[in-house]
Amino acid sequence: DADVTQTPRNRITKTGKRIMLECSQTKGHDRMYWYRQDPGLGLRLIYYSFDVKDINKGEISDGYSVSRQAQAKFSLSLESAIPNQTALYFCATSDPNVGTYNEQFFGPGTRLTVL
Amino acid sequence: RKEVEQDPGPFNVPEGATVAFNCTYSNSASQSFFWYRQDCRKEPKLLMSVYSSGNEDGRFTAQLNRASQYISLLIRDSKLSDSATYLCAVMGGNTGKLIFGQGTTLQVKP
Repeated sequence: DADVTQTPRNRITKTGKRIMLECSQTKGHDRMYWYRQDPGLGLRLIYYSFDVKDINKGEISDGYSVSRQAQAKFSLSLESAIPNQTALYFCATSDPNVGTYNEQFFGPGTRLTVL
Repeated sequence: RKEVEQDPGPFNVPEGATVAFNCTYSNSASQSFFWYRQDCRKEPKLLMSVYSSGNEDGRFTAQLNRASQYISLLIRDSKLSDSATYLCAVMGGNTGKLIFGQGTTLQVKP
């Protein structure tokens, strides 16, 4: 079983719709992250959470919100989707007490298309 | 200037070749450095953490040059299966936040 799972894996939606992307992990890590990836731009951080009561904006948080429902779950919402939010979205986890350098581990990604 | 920069390539090399990628970073307070491998439409997977003294894992060698603020990845005896995009990532201090380069594409040809 995958340690970090994301649902849905693919989603096509229309402009103005609300959509939620979900991330679950069985790694027991405290820290969770949401990134988006666009061609030629690499991965950019949207939001991150270091524990259940901690939520922080990343580089590109406008138009997004998050919810950390439990240690293992971190959801990303687009309240009113727009076409330039079409991208590949990745969830990641880490734990500074595991490994040497606080490495991050990624879920399989959600491909979102906003028409 | 981007915080983390890579030459996007593509690098097209024959099997058996040695190829090297560099990645520069602008924040001198950066503490941790990584190389990830990403196959088309898949998630990034950690290839190597980069240690201050440099480190090697089989055909892969990572180096850190703090004075010039870059990290490098050397791949020896390239295999067809090495074809992928290689992302460097840099973490500033203890922020826990990774900044990624845009990735370098490697295509190994028979």
